Amino acid sequence: GEDVEQSLFLSVREGDSSVINCTYTDSSSTYLYWYKQEPGAGLQLLTYIFSNMDMKQDQRLTVLLNKKDKHLSLRIADTQTGDSAIYFCAESIRKLIFGAGTRLAVHP
Amino acid sequence: NAGVTQTPKFQVLKTGQSMTLQCAQDMNHEYMSWYRQDPGMGLRLIHYSVGAGITDQGEVPNGYNVSRSTTEDFPLRLLSAAPSQTSVYFCASSYAPGQGAGGYTFGSGTRLTVV
Repeated sequence: GEDVEQSLFLSVREGDSSVINCTYTDSSSTYLYWYKQEPGAGLQLLTYIFSNMDMKQDQRLTVLLNKKDKHLSLRIADTQTGDSAIYFCAESIRKLIFGAGTRLAVHP
Repeated sequence: NAGVTQTPKFQVLKTGQSMTLQCAQDMNHEYMSWYRQDPGMGLRLIHYSVGAGITDQGEVPNGYNVSRSTTEDFPLRLLSAAPSQTSVYFCASSYAPGQGAGGYTFGSGTRLTVV
């Protein structure tokens, strides 16, 4: 079946790198996404990776995909207080399946 | 360009009442879906539609109805509200299911409380 799992909390110091991990079950996923949700707001697409790619870099964001292990990660370089939010990974087959979300807390 | 518009933003219902959550998009997206978000559970798919006249059930469809008479609109109906339906509801749309390199566009959500 379809399932996406993430750890629930991550705390980092401002300026450090954050790594948020995700595992998924359906190997037929064509796209994998990272969404960001700030308090009281909807979900904002951060980045995505196509399933035939291993890595994608977009400014401070790096997405790594290990298809063999069905493991996806999001690295945020030079984490800032504005990065504090909930981060969701999602896999897309015929519909979008979300993980429970990782709450990132950035402290000075 | 409004994107995905959800109304209302907040709603309080009494148990047993019915209501309709509205969702409209102006991007000519074929695919639309409804999710509910509960603490610690992420977003769970309620119903989705791959085009006008076509709807299907997601993970948690019980207690909800949908219809898709136009490409633009995808209303979610609560038939007889229950406290377990207290949640934040998100509508999303995409160009094509499972093919969205641009991802899905989400509305800003409807916070529903059933007392």
